[in-house]
Amino acid sequence: ELKVEQNPLFLSMQEGKNYTIYCNYSTTSDRLYWYRQDPGKSLESLFVLLSNGAVKQEGRLMASLDTKARLSTLHITAAVHDLSATYFCAVTPFNQGGSEKLVFGKGTKLTVNP
Amino acid sequence: GAVVSQHPSRVICKSGTSVKIECRSLDFQATTMFWYRQFPKQSLMLMATSNEGSKATYEQGVEKDKFLINHASLTLSTLTVTSAHPEDSSFYICSVVRRPATGEQYFGPGTRLTVT
Repeated sequence: ELKVEQNPLFLSMQEGKNYTIYCNYSTTSDRLYWYRQDPGKSLESLFVLLSNGAVKQEGRLMASLDTKARLSTLHITAAVHDLSATYFCAVTPFNQGGSEKLVFGKGTKLTVNP
Repeated sequence: GAVVSQHPSRVICKSGTSVKIECRSLDFQATTMFWYRQFPKQSLMLMATSNEGSKATYEQGVEKDKFLINHASLTLSTLTVTSAHPEDSSFYICSVVRRPATGEQYFGPGTRLTVT
C-alpha cells in the first residue's frame, strides 16, 4: 500500500526566509503532484513532476523529484505572506492499469509572518 | 476559467435525509471523475472513482450503498449521501483528469456538507 508522508506538518516562517517541505512516498511511482489549498477552498494545481530529476519553478516555489530516493521537495524562496496556505503532495501508485488515483500526504500548513 | 464545477457549494441537512452533490466537467468530456472527502484539518481521501457508463469503483471502507455515485454523462457525475448522519459532515471534492498524458487532476470547488 502506497503511503505518502510530508514534513513538516506545520511551518511558521518569517517573510524573506527560505524553507523546504519534504514529501516521501513508500512505493514506486512515476508521478508526483503538488497542490495548494487555501482555507475553505479547493485544491489548486502547482506542479506536476513526471521523471527522476525533474525540477520545476514558479515564482518563489520550486519543486523537485528524486524517484530513486522516493522524495520530492518543495522549496520556498524569500517567502511572502501570500504563500500562506496548506500544501499537499500527492502520488499516483505505479502500474495502476491506467488509473490516475491519487494518494495524498497529510499536508503542510504554511504560515508566513510579516 | 473554472474547469470543474460543483453544486451546491454548501448544504445543511437534517440527519436521516439524503443529499445530492453534482460535479460537472466544464471544458471537456470526462469518462472518469474522482470523489474525495476531506475532514477538517485533514488530508483528502479518495472515496471512489466514477466511471461513465459503468459502476463506480469504491475505495476500501467506503460504503457504496451510502454514497451513491452516478456518472450520468461525460460531463456530469453525482454523489448522493443517503440517510446522512452528523459524522458524514465533511468537505466533498470531485476532480477530473485534465491531461491524461500527465495524470494531472483538476479539482472542483468543493461542497461543504453539514448534517445536523
